[in-house]
Amino acid sequence: IVMTQTPLSLPVTPGEPASISCRSSESLFDSDDGISYLDWYLQKPGQSPQLLIYTASYRASGVPERFSGSGSGTDFTLKISRVEAEDVGVYYCVQRIDFPPTFGQGTKLEIK
Amino acid sequence: QVQLVQSGAEVKKPGSSVKVSCKASGGTFGNYSVSWVRQAPGQGLEWMGGLIPLFHIDTYAQKFEGRVTFTADESTSTGYMEIIGLTSDDTAVYFCMRERGGLPDSWGQGTLVTVSS
Repeated sequence: IVMTQTPLSLPVTPGEPASISCRSSESLFDSDDGISYLDWYLQKPGQSPQLLIYTASYRASGVPERFSGSGSGTDFTLKISRVEAEDVGVYYCVQRIDFPPTFGQGTKLEIK
Repeated sequence: QVQLVQSGAEVKKPGSSVKVSCKASGGTFGNYSVSWVRQAPGQGLEWMGGLIPLFHIDTYAQKFEGRVTFTADESTSTGYMEIIGLTSDDTAVYFCMRERGGLPDSWGQGTLVTVSS
């Protein structure tokens, strides 16, 4: 399954919102359990990736409420309501309905 | 909270092999998988596969089958990833993670493997 993210680069002014799109080449919706198997990660410079959102819309433990995920099927969105300086890094979407999980190319968020 | 600590950076010659370790502290792998993701310099993330030590079940992304082997020592809660026949394309940071259903609950810090003559 091919994952396509847009944009690849995202300059944002602190306090402003940001949005990243992720599209999959096949549906990530499992009709047996009603779940879309799409997750979002943030990889800060020099660090391991950290989970932000799982199954499209659930925030991982400790993730600030300014992060939200939405979408189903093949189209998904990660939104940051008000960007902070600590949000810089590369954001990845990943599908795990099929093995092996595949990642998007990444979206680099930088502060203006 | 389980923490994963990986072995240090490696420099290898083309054609050789490398074995990277991933030790769990503060817990065990339990019935989780020890899985591996790699990241070439300046590139994105690539899932390689993993092993459920408890059940001795391993899975490999097709790209890595036959060249990568996942093993584990349950007595020391350590997972291993070995690659043979290294080429410059294998230069990357290798991350281990403890995961279930493709959802990790902890990551290692990453191990840089450099393949150079």
